[in-house]
Amino acid sequence: SYELTQPPSVSVSPGQTASIPCSGDKLGDKYACWYQQKSGQSPVLVIYQDYKRPSGIPERFSGSNSGNTATLTISGTQAMDEADYYCQAWDTSTAVFGGGTKLTVL
Amino acid sequence: QVQLQESGPGLVKPSQTLSLTCTVADDSISSPDYYWSWIRQPPGKGLEWIGYIYSSGSTYYNPSLKSRVTISIDTSKNQFSLKLSSVTAADTAVYYCARVHSIWIPQNLEYYYYMDVWGKGTTVTVSS
Repeated sequence: SYELTQPPSVSVSPGQTASIPCSGDKLGDKYACWYQQKSGQSPVLVIYQDYKRPSGIPERFSGSNSGNTATLTISGTQAMDEADYYCQAWDTSTAVFGGGTKLTVL
Repeated sequence: QVQLQESGPGLVKPSQTLSLTCTVADDSISSPDYYWSWIRQPPGKGLEWIGYIYSSGSTYYNPSLKSRVTISIDTSKNQFSLKLSSVTAADTAVYYCARVHSIWIPQNLEYYYYMDVWGKGTTVTVSS
C-alpha cells in the first residue's frame, strides 16, 4: 500500500520560515494537499492541488510538489500556526494521509 | 457556508456495529461536484480515511477496512451514514465526516479530489 512519510516534529522561531516535508514514491506524479489541525479541533484544508490556497487561508501558507517530496512552507510563522499538519494524496482511489508533523513555534 | 455535523452513540460494545450519521446543512448532498467521506483519528494518532460515497450511492472504501464498512446516503434527509461492524478497542477514535470536492483536471484528463469542509468530529469509544 502507498505510504506518505512526515517528520514527527518541526520547530521554528516566530517570524521565520517553516518547511514541512512529505515524502512518498513518485509523489510528484500525484497531487498533494495539506491539512492543519489545532489542538482539540477538526482538520482544516490549507493547501490543495499541490500549491493552491482555499479562500481564507493566509498567503504565508504555500506548497510545492516534485519528485518524491511535497513541501508545505509557512513564511513569517506566527504563534497561531502552531498545530499538527498532515499531507494527503490519492492512490488508486484511496486517500492516504501522512503520519502528521507537530509544528512548534518557539 | 456548508456545515457538517456527526451524530451517534459515543459508546459501543466490542463485536457490535458502530453507526454514525452526518447531517449536511446549507448545501445539497446531491450536488454533482461533491462526494462525502468519513475519516477517523484514534486518540493521539493520525488521520485514517475510511471511505466516501456519491449521491448516486456509489462508494469506495479503504481496503484495510472494506470488509467491515458500509457507507450509505439519504438524499431526502441530506444525510450520509457510516456502519462499521465487529468493532474492537482499536476502533476507538474521533470520527469525522467531510465534504470531498471533485474538480476536472483537463491536462490530466482525470478528476482530482480534496476534503474541503470537515465536521467537528464525534468521539466513539469501544468498551464493554
